[in-house]
Amino acid sequence: DQQVKQNSPSLSVQEGRISILNCDYTNSMFDYFLWYKKYPAEGPTFLISISSIKDKNEDGRFTVFLNKSAKHLSLHIVPSQPGDSAVYFCAASEAGGADGLTFGKGTHLIIQP
Amino acid sequence: DSGVTQTPKHLITATGQRVTLRCSPRSGDLSVYWYQQSLDQGLQFLIQYYNGEERAKGNILERFSAQQFPDLHSELNLSSLELGDSALYFCASSVGGLPNSPLHFGNGTRLTVT
Repeated sequence: DQQVKQNSPSLSVQEGRISILNCDYTNSMFDYFLWYKKYPAEGPTFLISISSIKDKNEDGRFTVFLNKSAKHLSLHIVPSQPGDSAVYFCAASEAGGADGLTFGKGTHLIIQP
Repeated sequence: DSGVTQTPKHLITATGQRVTLRCSPRSGDLSVYWYQQSLDQGLQFLIQYYNGEERAKGNILERFSAQQFPDLHSELNLSSLELGDSALYFCASSVGGLPNSPLHFGNGTRLTVT
C-alpha cells in the first residue's frame, strides 16, 4: 500500500511559467515532508521541507504548500528554468522517523524552451 | 556534490553470490540510511544506523544485512542474490535522526544480478 502518492508520472511546463507538482499521502502520522530532485546518474538532492505545524515554506523559487486536512502537499517552482528538468520525489516521515523517509514514485518534470 | 560517497558505482554478479556495498557519510553526519530503488519503484527504506547502532528497520530482507563502523562508514551486505535484487542502492546520511535533518544522498551503486 503506497502511503505517499505522486499521481503524475510526468509534467511538461514552458520555461518561465509556474510548475506545480502534487503529492498525496494516506498516513496521518506523517508530520515532516520533503521534496527531492534527482538528475540521471545522481542521487536525490534535498530541495525543501515543511513541518506539519506550517502550511507554507518558501525558499527562493521553490514553495511547498501543505494541506493537512486533505493530506496533500504541492511544490511550486516559479519561474521554471531549463535546469529544473529532473525527477521530483515527495517524501514524508513520522515523528521520530522510526521508519525512515517514505518516498513517492516521482514526477518527471520537463521544462520546454 | 552531496559529500556522501558510495562504492562501487556499478556491480555485476551472478545469482547466489554475495556482495558488499560501501558508504562514507558526509563529514560530521552520524546517521546513515540505506535505500533500494527498483525499476518503476520509488525509493524503499531498508535500514538506518546512528553512531554505530541500528536505529530503524524498513523492508530489508533477511538475506541483507548492514553495519556502521566506528569511523561511521557503513556497509550493506547482500547475500544469496536473486535476479530481483537488481536495483540502485542509495546510501544517505544526516546529522541526526529525523524529523529535522534532511537526508543527503550519494550517487548510488547499480547492482545487476545475472
